[in-house]
Amino acid sequence: SQELEQSPQSLIVQEGKNLTINCTSSKTLYGLYWYKQKYGEGLIFLMMLQKGGEEKSHEKITAKLDEKKQQSSLHITASQPSHAGIYLCGADTNAGKSTFGDGTTLTVKP
Amino acid sequence: NAGVTQTPKFQVLKTGQSMTLQCAQDMNHNSMYWYRQDPGMGLRLIYYSASEGTTDKGEVPNGYNVSRLNKREFSLRLESAAPSQTSVYFCASSAGQINSPLHFGNGTRLTVT
Repeated sequence: SQELEQSPQSLIVQEGKNLTINCTSSKTLYGLYWYKQKYGEGLIFLMMLQKGGEEKSHEKITAKLDEKKQQSSLHITASQPSHAGIYLCGADTNAGKSTFGDGTTLTVKP
Repeated sequence: NAGVTQTPKFQVLKTGQSMTLQCAQDMNHNSMYWYRQDPGMGLRLIYYSASEGTTDKGEVPNGYNVSRLNKREFSLRLESAAPSQTSVYFCASSAGQINSPLHFGNGTRLTVT
């Protein structure tokens, strides 16, 4: 089965700093999703990447998909306390269901 | 926009008790899912329904049953709760095609004592 490995598991940054979260797949990535979860809430869909080399941005969050490396990265520029939460990557399996990474917990210190 | 609505938000059960978690979506999505989220285990699929009238087992179906009541509603039932079922449960829905993101409810925190 397809597995998604996220790194790092947790991250503590000072407000204003940039950061990157990685998601590596054990199999070819045909599409990848990024979600954010705040404590006590459900996952919120951030963006979807479908093609190798694709890059998408939402406010100060940018995600890229590298098909050759079977990897996606999520980059946050000038982090703010509102960026804190758990970031999860997800991908469609060939069975039509989604699989998820274990998540990266981001803490932003004011 | 309600999106995906789950009830209840919190529940405490004693071992052996039964309960049903309710989920409804108003996005006209074909597919609906139940996940559980545990520390260190990530999100694990319990059951899913690719379309109205169909249900299939996911990764961890033992101890659970589901009903796709109609296109909007997908319920999860615990017939005889066990402490191992203490978890946060999420319902999700999607259009059901490849490259269709999931839309999640806010979760149900279940504790079984």
